[in-house]
Amino acid sequence: DAGVIQSPRHEVTEMGQEVTLRCKPISGHNSLFWYRQTMMRGLELLIYFNNNVPIDDSGMPEDRFSAKMPNASFSTLKIQPSEPRDSAVYFCASSVRRGEAFFGQGTRLTVV
Amino acid sequence: QKEVEQNSGPLSVPEGAIASLNCTYSDRGSQSFFWYRQYSGKSPELIMFIYSNGDKEDGRFTAQLNKASQYVSLLIRDSQPSDSATYLCAVNAGGFKTIFGAGTRLFVKA
Repeated sequence: DAGVIQSPRHEVTEMGQEVTLRCKPISGHNSLFWYRQTMMRGLELLIYFNNNVPIDDSGMPEDRFSAKMPNASFSTLKIQPSEPRDSAVYFCASSVRRGEAFFGQGTRLTVV
Repeated sequence: QKEVEQNSGPLSVPEGAIASLNCTYSDRGSQSFFWYRQYSGKSPELIMFIYSNGDKEDGRFTAQLNKASQYVSLLIRDSQPSDSATYLCAVNAGGFKTIFGAGTRLFVKA
């Protein structure tokens, strides 16, 4: 298996623009997570899905952030409008067992 | 109070020494605990998990759990320069929700 695949790897965008991050989880994994990592705040859980259903989105910072999982093999995280403080590395991870997550390579987002 | 606390380091140890990484957590009901390693510029990868009080050994790594003290540790024996990374402590917070500490940076000097 190729592992968790994220795209794009790097994204530079202007403040106010819409940003869409994409994730393909490992086949057979029924849980998918979106994390954000910054030096100041570490690795924060934004939202997670179980069997394509959002279970906990309490970490989503504000209404500008939204996430979808239309099927078992694809998820998106959208930021609209983007702001400079959204600059971070965004990780997608998938799992079949509690706590044992497999991470993608991340998307480094820079909002200027 | 943060849910999972770690000393950010850096922790510097000479090659061949034992590196000791520590973590405390706030939710007394937590049952599952994990250690992830993250090399600079890379994604976290799971290296150990522990569910029961006591020690769990895997090669050069030993995880230790004390639920009464809400304390988890990771020992790395015979530390190698290739062990230099950030080590993230993670705690299952119910369901599939996993909370990470900020991580401890480890440097192993050759």
